[in-house]
Amino acid sequence: GAVVSQHPSRVICKSGTSVKIECRSLDFQATTMFWYRQFPKQSLMLMATSNEGSKATYEQGVEKDKFLINHASLTLSTLTVTSAHPEDSSFYICSARGAGGLSTGELFFGEGSRLTVL
Amino acid sequence: EDQVTQSPEALRLQEGESSSLNCSYTVSGLRGLFWYRQDPGKGPEFLFTLYSAGEEKEKERLKATLTKKESFLHITAPKPEDSATYLCAVASGGSYIPTFGRGTSLIVHP
Repeated sequence: GAVVSQHPSRVICKSGTSVKIECRSLDFQATTMFWYRQFPKQSLMLMATSNEGSKATYEQGVEKDKFLINHASLTLSTLTVTSAHPEDSSFYICSARGAGGLSTGELFFGEGSRLTVL
Repeated sequence: EDQVTQSPEALRLQEGESSSLNCSYTVSGLRGLFWYRQDPGKGPEFLFTLYSAGEEKEKERLKATLTKKESFLHITAPKPEDSATYLCAVASGGSYIPTFGRGTSLIVHP
């Protein structure tokens, strides 16, 4: 149980284009999803928290107009990197917490998406 | 603000050479301490949750322990397949959003 699927695993795009990354909870309903960014040999940096049916809460320093997050259902959240630039190249990881995890804090992570902007 | 410090940053072991990874934390009202394993180019894989000092959990060659200030991940007789980055995270307060450490990169040589 507690499987989170993230797609695509790798994406290469040209500067100025937009890229959408999907995160799905396959066997549970994810009331809350989190999006992280990870640089090489660095820790996971929380970008935003999204609750189903409401606007995402962004961490300080994260541009909400650049990183659009939609959590339209209990099993799907999407991150769209708009007008991507080379500095947006990174490893993006989503995670999900089901209702049972509210009292435990346990997160289940997707496989990650490697974004390369040329 | 919650803080998590993991040490060492990197650790190289010979197969069968047991060792421990450290996770020191500062938090106001610990709700849970979590250990994850992350393989290169992959998302973290959940290992353990510890809730209170004195608690221990085991899974195969791994054993996690918790005190009021730190947690240890003990690896007994490691194998090359145990090579990975091990992440520690803590959650506090009502939001339960974990704060992650930078991880310990473990390499086990055959």
